[in-house]
Amino acid sequence: AQTVTQSQPEMSVQEAETVTLSCTYDTSENNYYLFWYKQPPSRQMILVIRQEAYKQQNATENRFSVNFQKAAKSFSLKISDSQLGDTAMYFCAFMKHNAAGANSKLTFGKGITLSVRP
Amino acid sequence: DAGVTQSPTHLIKTRGQQVTLRCSPISGHKSVSWYQQVLGQGPQFIFQYYEKEERGRGNFPDRFSARQFPNYSSELNVNALLLGDSALYLCASSPELRDRVTNFGGQPQHFGDGTRLSIL
Repeated sequence: AQTVTQSQPEMSVQEAETVTLSCTYDTSENNYYLFWYKQPPSRQMILVIRQEAYKQQNATENRFSVNFQKAAKSFSLKISDSQLGDTAMYFCAFMKHNAAGANSKLTFGKGITLSVRP
Repeated sequence: DAGVTQSPTHLIKTRGQQVTLRCSPISGHKSVSWYQQVLGQGPQFIFQYYEKEERGRGNFPDRFSARQFPNYSSELNVNALLLGDSALYLCASSPELRDRVTNFGGQPQHFGDGTRLSIL
């Protein structure tokens, strides 16, 4: 079974600064996918970024980038130029490379609450 | 285009009752998944349906059941409600289980706003 660990329950960052959210995972799979989702107080889970494990290049989406270390099973999210709207819970999630007929469930960590200070 | 829609938004039930939650996926999406999110925790996988067939079930009791209709909408049913069933129930949709061209998985799941279920 896969597990996802987010050991920091809360973080705070000043507006316009950079913050890094940590995530580690455990799996025996070689091919898989990793995601960061954002859940603001409005509660809708929003996809932030996606990484394929077979790609060495780290994914980036505008101000969001990841540091994917496959050997260390680490997948951290860096938010540059933090904005007030980035205040939310952030979840790291794992998905197996599903074989034919299998499902594509997400396994989530417990999340981290990020507060951006004005 | 409309996103994933869930109804109702909030629901209050008492122990022992039964509840049905509804989900309409994004137009064209054939896969629907259900997750339970207890306050302060990450979502836990309950079910995934694809083309009206159950493709996966999480570690939940038989009191939880679901189905998917020909229009790809879905219902989650919970019988004999317990206090511990109080949670946010999230529905997520994705176009396919695998990319039809590359045959790779990892299709991003798009979530609705959820149904907040409170058991008294």
